[in-house]
Amino acid sequence: AQSVTQLDSQVPVFEEAPVELRCNYSSSVSVYLFWYVQYPNQGLQLLLKYLSGSTLVKGINGFEAEFNKSQTSFHLRKPSVHISDTAEYFCAVSALNRDDKIIFGKGTRLHILP
Amino acid sequence: DVKVTQSSRYLVKRTGEKVFLECVQDMDHENMFWYRQDPGLGLRLIYFSYDVKMKEKGDIPEGYSVSREKKERFSLILESASTNQTSMYLCASSFPGQVDEKLFFGSGTQLSVL
Repeated sequence: AQSVTQLDSQVPVFEEAPVELRCNYSSSVSVYLFWYVQYPNQGLQLLLKYLSGSTLVKGINGFEAEFNKSQTSFHLRKPSVHISDTAEYFCAVSALNRDDKIIFGKGTRLHILP
Repeated sequence: DVKVTQSSRYLVKRTGEKVFLECVQDMDHENMFWYRQDPGLGLRLIYFSYDVKMKEKGDIPEGYSVSREKKERFSLILESASTNQTSMYLCASSFPGQVDEKLFFGSGTQLSVL
């Protein structure tokens, strides 16, 4: 079975500062990895995903994430955040098999300070 | 534009009532999912379905059932609502056998059980 750990439940950061949201996963098989974002009063939408190939993945809104197999991590980064990035961010994992289930982490709430 | 529609944004029910949460998608997706979202717990999978009249238990199915009579519609049923089922419920859908494809989410139903 797979599991996801998001180490920080909340991350405050000043506007225009860089941010990293941490995600570690556990799995006995190869996995796909995802980051989803939930803006206030909305459903979740996909930010980016890692399937294979380059370990640095670029997503929407200037976000990127790096897959590190040895550290079983998939941290999300943005070099300069904006007030509109205020949201909850979810890391998710799915095993490379026919089972289409995606397992989500507990989420990290990003607070942008003016 | 693709759409997953949840029939109610807010719902208030009394303990013991039978509750139906409806979800409709217009993308001809085979896979549909019900999650509940609670602060500090992230998204937890309740039930999912790979095809019409087919259902699988997720991680927390107790107290819930589902119905998938038509491909586009996936209903979550609370047979006898309890206060610990107060939560945000999210429906999602995806193509089959393509776990690397993203989940499409509805906007959620905030259920309060009094």
